[in-house]
Amino acid sequence: DAGVTQSPTHLIKTRGQQVTLRCSPKSGHDTVSWYQQALGQGPQFIFQYYEEEERQRGNFPDRFSGHQFPNYSSELNVNALLLGDSALYLCASSVGTGYEQYFGPGTRLTVT
Amino acid sequence: AQSVSQHNHHVILSEAASLELGCNYSYGGTVNLFWYVQYPGQHLQLLLKYFSGDPLVKGIKGFEAEFIKSKFSFNLRKPSVQWSDTAEYFCAAFERSNTGFQKLVFGTGTRLLVSP
Repeated sequence: DAGVTQSPTHLIKTRGQQVTLRCSPKSGHDTVSWYQQALGQGPQFIFQYYEEEERQRGNFPDRFSGHQFPNYSSELNVNALLLGDSALYLCASSVGTGYEQYFGPGTRLTVT
Repeated sequence: AQSVSQHNHHVILSEAASLELGCNYSYGGTVNLFWYVQYPGQHLQLLLKYFSGDPLVKGIKGFEAEFIKSKFSFNLRKPSVQWSDTAEYFCAAFERSNTGFQKLVFGTGTRLLVSP
């Protein structure tokens, strides 16, 4: 049983560019949450998707957007990249809300 | 809003020493609490969780945590650490939105180094 998978593993982008990160949830899971983990910090909640809709959002600007597909996989898009967007982006999946979340390995984004 | 505090940022122990990592949360209502571990080069893994019932929770790899509601605490413990416990440990709590959906709020993490 595959766990949560994310792609790509690493990514280097230039300021002002746009990036798309992908996540496939654990089998049987229907809810995907995205987190940003800056160096030396705990993960910060970006947003959560359930039934292909954004159900709640953390304190992140509109440059951060997402999508969930009918197969429950999800994308995180970041526009107009800033140096401060450099971080590890984590995807977590769960069965609905209110249950433990399982994390993927993350995508390391570096903005130069 | 929920917030989670971890006061020990770096901990260094020798093998066989006992471990206790502090975690405090702010919200006083119904609370769900977690400890996650991130081994070097690996993804976040759930160590243990508290939803209700026995406040002493046992997790994987010999870890346990005690929920003390009166102290807003959920400290992680292990009687005897091993070199392989070297990792970063995160305490987290659910925060429920007004739509009923829950997000995880994390502490800043504690980096544990166990020397052989």
